[in-house]
Amino acid sequence: EAQLVESGGGLVQPGGSLRLSCVASGFTFGNYAMYWVRQAPGRGLEYISGISNNGGNRYYVDSVKGRFTISRDNSKRTLYLQMDSLRAEDMAIYYCARDRDNNGYYSGPFAYWGQGALVTVSS
Amino acid sequence: DIQMTQSPSTLSASVGDRITITCRASQSISSWLAWYQQKPGKAPKLLIYKASTLESGVPSRFSGSGSGTEFTLTISSLQPDDFATYYCQQYNSYSRTFGQGTKVEI
Repeated sequence: EAQLVESGGGLVQPGGSLRLSCVASGFTFGNYAMYWVRQAPGRGLEYISGISNNGGNRYYVDSVKGRFTISRDNSKRTLYLQMDSLRAEDMAIYYCARDRDNNGYYSGPFAYWGQGALVTVSS
Repeated sequence: DIQMTQSPSTLSASVGDRITITCRASQSISSWLAWYQQKPGKAPKLLIYKASTLESGVPSRFSGSGSGTEFTLTISSLQPDDFATYYCQQYNSYSRTFGQGTKVEI
């Protein structure tokens, strides 16, 4: 069974940085596109970033473009999200998710999700 | 970007009811639509993909239909475990936008 476990969340001041990690198990990590989705307190889901299986293609929603960087290390079965210049509006639970399809590209819905990592941005 | 609009935002129902949630896309997404269920404090769970295909392990009381710009999620007989928030998501484009969610409450 596929499993995703996020870590790295915490409290950070506005303007600060944080790096989230998502360790995968139970499937061939290098075969799948991976994603980050966030959910602000009491709000809906927002897809913010995706990366193809080899890291060659990356997507960012406009609100995080230039501030967040998605990356992956297939040898470590780990997905990352480097978050810089954090703002109050970035405060949310951050989920990593796996594509349903194993063709390596953005093709399917999000079939597996981690438990989420809470990022709090406050002075 | 493709916008996804769900209705209603909140739905009050009883155990045994048949309920329908609607999701509209701002432009055609063919059948590239998924439905998720989320319970408080938990990650979302994929229920349906490609508009009408049930994910493995999902009860048959859930069904999806539609194509183009209009889609529906139907629960044929609401069970206590079904009270949750439901989201649609388009995966026709890179933006993969979600609807705003529909909370199904007692």
